[in-house]
Amino acid sequence: KAGVTQTPRYLIKTRGQQVTLSCSPISGHRSVSWYQQTPGQGLQFLFEYFSETQRNKGNFPGRFSGRQFSNSRSEMNVSTLELGDSALYLCASSPTSGVNQETQYFGPGTRLLVL
Amino acid sequence: GENVEQHPSTLSVQEGDSAVIKCTYSDSASNYFPWYKQELGKRPQLIIDIRSNVGEKKDQRIAVTLNKTAKHFSLHITETQPEDSAVYFCAALGAFGQNFVFGPGTRLSVLP
Repeated sequence: KAGVTQTPRYLIKTRGQQVTLSCSPISGHRSVSWYQQTPGQGLQFLFEYFSETQRNKGNFPGRFSGRQFSNSRSEMNVSTLELGDSALYLCASSPTSGVNQETQYFGPGTRLLVL
Repeated sequence: GENVEQHPSTLSVQEGDSAVIKCTYSDSASNYFPWYKQELGKRPQLIIDIRSNVGEKKDQRIAVTLNKTAKHFSLHITETQPEDSAVYFCAALGAFGQNFVFGPGTRLSVLP
């Protein structure tokens, strides 16, 4: 099976702009989680989507939002970008059924730079 | 909510030596504990995981041990090689419907 894919891989934006990132999970995986990774804060959980519904949400401001489509692909949106939003954004998918239902597989990430 | 601590933050070992990384968690309901390896510029890759009904799991040079009573789990890498150099993250998953909580990571350097 193809792995988790994310687009775009790199992105440069300016403060105040908005950005949309995309994640395509492994075929058959219905859960998609998003993480923000920065050198100082490690992997911070943003939110998780399962069957087009947000199942969990981390402690991020409302500028961060997401959605999931019927084919399990997910997008996350960040509005009114701030310098501190510069980070690697990772998504991970899980099968949610079977023996390894909880196991998360990560995509390559989207590196966002806010100037 | 769940909190995961990880130690040490950096670890340097000589090639061929063993490396041990320890994580502690706070939520006694957590029941799944994966370890990820992230090489520079690459995605985190699952290297081993353990569930709460098991005390130890091995996969070649890598092993994970779990102490539910003390709420800690450890990654053991034997006969380390330069390609083991990376950042290692532990994580804990709480009861059904909870999200993963990751430790802050350990930068392992294997010196030739």
